[in-house]
Amino acid sequence: AQSVAQPEDQVNVAEGNPLTVKCTYSVSGNPYLFWYVQYPNRGLQFLLKYITGDNLVKGSYGFEAEFNKSQTSFHLKKPSALVSDSALYFCAVRDMNSGYSTLTFGKGTMLLVSP
Amino acid sequence: GAVVSQHPSRVICKSGTSVKIECRSLDFQATTMFWYRQFPKQSLMLMATSNEGSKATYEQGVEKDKFLINHASLTLSTLTVTSAHPEDSSFYICSAHTGELAGENNEQFFGPGTRLTVL
Repeated sequence: AQSVAQPEDQVNVAEGNPLTVKCTYSVSGNPYLFWYVQYPNRGLQFLLKYITGDNLVKGSYGFEAEFNKSQTSFHLKKPSALVSDSALYFCAVRDMNSGYSTLTFGKGTMLLVSP
Repeated sequence: GAVVSQHPSRVICKSGTSVKIECRSLDFQATTMFWYRQFPKQSLMLMATSNEGSKATYEQGVEKDKFLINHASLTLSTLTVTSAHPEDSSFYICSAHTGELAGENNEQFFGPGTRLTVL
């Protein structure tokens, strides 16, 4: 079975400050890891993914995430937050070694960036 | 990038009626589409996997007779909520897959969602 944990319901940060949204995962094989963002009453927008290769993955809107195999983490980061980054962020995992399997999502973390 | 659309974006209906939600992949063919349900401030819960030309696979606890899924073509899947009740009010999101499901280039693209309110 695969699972994702996002330990924070909400993250508050001031505009211009760096932000981190935490994610840890559990899979039996090797993971595909994803971050999505959701704005109110909208579907999910893809931010970035880790499949293989460099542990630091760069994505859309200046976001990046670092894959840490030993800590089974895939935290989302941005050096300087914008008010427009305020949204709901989901981490997701898929076990690449299990053949066909669906994405499992974390419960989401609300990011609030204050002016 | 690949675009997935949903129609309608918002629907309000009376209790006991049926509602159909369409999910289309606009610029690619999707052999597999997924239907999710999302409650306020909660994560996406997979309801079913829809494969073109075959019956959908439902997750445990999802009533297949209540949530009818049809995937008649490679670009269209529909979800029909039959005899809707207020507890069915939710945000329904579909997604479509490109590439081989178990492959490295597997991508999942999400529709914008449909807000269903049952009075």
